Amino acid sequence: DAGITQSPRHKVTETGTPVTLRCHQTENHRYMYWYRQDPGHGLRLIHYSYGVKDTDKGEVSDGYSVSRSKTEDFLLTLESATSSQTSVYFCAIKRDRNSGANVLTFGAGSRLTVL
Amino acid sequence: TQLLEQSPQFLSIQEGENLTVYCNSSSVFSSLQWYRQEPGEGPVLLVTVVTGGEVKKLKRLTFQFGDARKDSSLHITAAQTGDTGLYLCAGASSGSARQLTFGSGTQLTVLP
Repeated sequence: DAGITQSPRHKVTETGTPVTLRCHQTENHRYMYWYRQDPGHGLRLIHYSYGVKDTDKGEVSDGYSVSRSKTEDFLLTLESATSSQTSVYFCAIKRDRNSGANVLTFGAGSRLTVL
Repeated sequence: TQLLEQSPQFLSIQEGENLTVYCNSSSVFSSLQWYRQEPGEGPVLLVTVVTGGEVKKLKRLTFQFGDARKDSSLHITAAQTGDTGLYLCAGASSGSARQLTFGSGTQLTVLP
């Protein structure tokens, strides 16, 4: 276990409802990330955080917001879920602090279905 | 936007066969990583290559980074059923906190 917990692991919701996914880490890493994974697209970055209250957009940020009020928690919110946001969402942390190579450790994923 | 093309998208082979998966881009990366993902789990790092032309071996897996740092390959010798999974390459850009650009993945199935 890499010390990353995602919740919920599975969620079914209806179009237009708000959804919040939580990522919790136990290792005090500075960088945290939210990706979505869809068939044929690999992993695409939604938002990332480089510290408490410090966040930035990724390549597919529209329709998503994030918050990081504590080092250990990174929340992803869909204010009004749409069917196009049906996906598997992965949280990740960056572990390697001493190398130029950015190495990610992923959570187990949260499968979201928007009906 | 940097893109990474992986090929093939799907690969089904018999146990004991060899295979190569390719990861190509028109962009230069400071490093390239390979991950393996099993159903219901997140990707797990296999290797990072940093230097152009670098070759790394992990048991039956051989990873190579292209001389120009734009492409990479993963070769598996004598595949086993336990090698089945989704293989993802990911390129990192120097100085970018945005992390990695992922390829779309190669789904490998090794049949007994």
